[in-house]
Amino acid sequence: SQQGEEDPQALSIQEGENATMNCSYKTSINNLQWYRQNSGRGLVHLILIRSNEREKHSGRLRVTLDTSKKSSSLLITASRAADTASYFCATDQGGKLIFGQGTELSVKP
Amino acid sequence: DGGITQSPKYLFRKEGQNVTLSCEQNLNHDAMYWYRQDPGQGLRLIYYSQIVNDFQKGDIAEGYSVSREKKESFPLTVTSAQKNPTAFYLCASSPGRGARYEQYFGPGTRLTVT
Repeated sequence: SQQGEEDPQALSIQEGENATMNCSYKTSINNLQWYRQNSGRGLVHLILIRSNEREKHSGRLRVTLDTSKKSSSLLITASRAADTASYFCATDQGGKLIFGQGTELSVKP
Repeated sequence: DGGITQSPKYLFRKEGQNVTLSCEQNLNHDAMYWYRQDPGQGLRLIYYSQIVNDFQKGDIAEGYSVSREKKESFPLTVTSAQKNPTAFYLCASSPGRGARYEQYFGPGTRLTVT
């Protein structure tokens, strides 16, 4: 039961550039979460945005949510090599968190 | 030092054998989850538990079993009935049930069955 779909599947940028990842979902949600996963590791929670919020910031991260378009975006500003990871959006469906397939971000020094 | 631990990090088994993956948390969280991740894929929910002695099937529960006898522990058994058990298994916990809460993940166990 796929709820969130990330786009693009892979993104390669130079250090210092901004990275934007998008997530689209099918059914209405109460909130949407973004997670990061370094290769071979567990996921780390980044941001939770509620359905009545349009934008949220955390350090170099900015998340937007457009419930009318059923989409969210994650912007990482001034990227660093350490930002290289996979990024997943997750939405609630029937009380369970459903993860998308992720965007693989590569930041080259 | 609070967190979730999973052991072992790597596990190798022969086909036909059951294997149990350990997950322990000291965050005092009520809910715990098991996910499976295949290469280049997102996470798929196997089982989850909201409270001690209670658990529910996720999207891909066939061939797996769990128990929740203690709040801190949620072991996952991969049985011989699981047709394609080789995968990366992630355990998570959250303060409460559902998607209102962020989930805290363990480091994962990579299971290889040959």
